[in-house]
Amino acid sequence: GNSVTQMEGPVTLSEEAFLTINCTYTATGYPSLFWYVQYPGEGLQLLLKATKADDKGSNKGFEATYRKETTSFHLEKGSVQVSDSAVYFCALRRETSGTYKYIFGTGTRLKVLA
Amino acid sequence: DTGVSQDPRHKITKRGQNVTFRCDPISEHNRLYWYRQTLGQGPEFLTYFQNEAQLEKSRLLSDRFSAERPKGSFSTLEIQRTEQGDSAMYLCASTLGSGANVLTFGAGSRLTVL
Repeated sequence: GNSVTQMEGPVTLSEEAFLTINCTYTATGYPSLFWYVQYPGEGLQLLLKATKADDKGSNKGFEATYRKETTSFHLEKGSVQVSDSAVYFCALRRETSGTYKYIFGTGTRLKVLA
Repeated sequence: DTGVSQDPRHKITKRGQNVTFRCDPISEHNRLYWYRQTLGQGPEFLTYFQNEAQLEKSRLLSDRFSAERPKGSFSTLEIQRTEQGDSAMYLCASTLGSGANVLTFGAGSRLTVL
């Protein structure tokens, strides 16, 4: 079936460190891929998306590239800030006979220390 | 556009009671989703509406759970005879049914069953 697997957290980094959060997926066809972020006490917000192979999504210094050959959508940021501390969710959207379902990973908590 | 609204934000109830949550999506969004999120986990799909039609229900949704979207606008999620295992955050999200759609989430309704 369709699923998303994320690296387990928590991930603890110092400010200005490089961030990678791994995400791989299993899906039939060519799903759209998303990263959502959940800041403490808030709802999930879209961070970035990619809709086809080799697309790169980017926002707020974060990037992720849709890699069909490795079924991956790893999230990266060159220099994290304390304000990036949050839980990050990788997700896919699959279409079946005109219905659309969004499937989320379990989330990766990021803690950035000053 | 005030985003996706959920009510109540917090609900504490005793085991065996019924509870109902309401979701008001973004006005032009025709697709509405309900998810459940427990601590340390990602959002888990419950059900999905396109306009007033309920197109998909998770097998996880027992017969104690029912959802409606009577006029294709707001939606309600009712849980009958609540159990302690129902304690979770119930998330509503909506999207416009075209293009590479992005889910917009509400802040969630937290249920605690004593």
